[in-house]
Amino acid sequence: KAGVTQTPRYLIKTRGQQVTLSCSPISGHRSVSWYQQTPGQGLQFLFEYFSETQRNKGNFPGRFSGRQFSNSRSEMNVSTLELGDSALYLCASSNPGQGDTGELFFGEGSRLTVL
Amino acid sequence: AQSVAQPEDQVNVAEGNPLTVKCTYSVSGNPYLFWYVQYPNRGLQFLLKYITGDNLVKGSYGFEAEFNKSQTSFHLKKPSALVSDSALYFCAVRALQNQAGTALIFGKGTTLSVSS
Repeated sequence: KAGVTQTPRYLIKTRGQQVTLSCSPISGHRSVSWYQQTPGQGLQFLFEYFSETQRNKGNFPGRFSGRQFSNSRSEMNVSTLELGDSALYLCASSNPGQGDTGELFFGEGSRLTVL
Repeated sequence: AQSVAQPEDQVNVAEGNPLTVKCTYSVSGNPYLFWYVQYPNRGLQFLLKYITGDNLVKGSYGFEAEFNKSQTSFHLKKPSALVSDSALYFCAVRALQNQAGTALIFGKGTTLSVSS
């Protein structure tokens, strides 16, 4: 079974630009969540999507948004990039409900550098 | 508010010695508890979890963790450390009650360094 796939793995943007990151969950998983990892703040929850609906959101500004498609693939978007948005963005999938085993399965991450 | 604390930024241990990475949590209700490991520039790999049952849980790569409800702790342990265990370790909690969804709250992480 293929794991969680994130693209792109690395990208460089400049301040003010926007970026879109993509995540393909494990086949059959309906929940996709996103986390931001920085040296200073650690791992912080951004949002979770389940069946195309956002059902949890962390404490991030509105510049951070996401969506989920009918095939469970998810994208997150960051608009008007700031230097502080430089981070590793991690996507995780799971299958809540009857098949829920509790843990999240993480992708390798997308490393965003904002110059 | 729910939280996870990993009181040590770094743990140093010699190869062959036992290791412990500490974690305490604060959450209302019964928690799901997890340990993940991260190697440089990689995603998080699941090590083990506690959901219910025996307080001592065994996971991948010879790691185990002990759930202590009275002390709200979930320390990660391994009887004999390997150099290849050197990595960044995260403790995480997911609260079952009053929360729809699968969001995890992570500790700050503990860097484990095993010397040969």
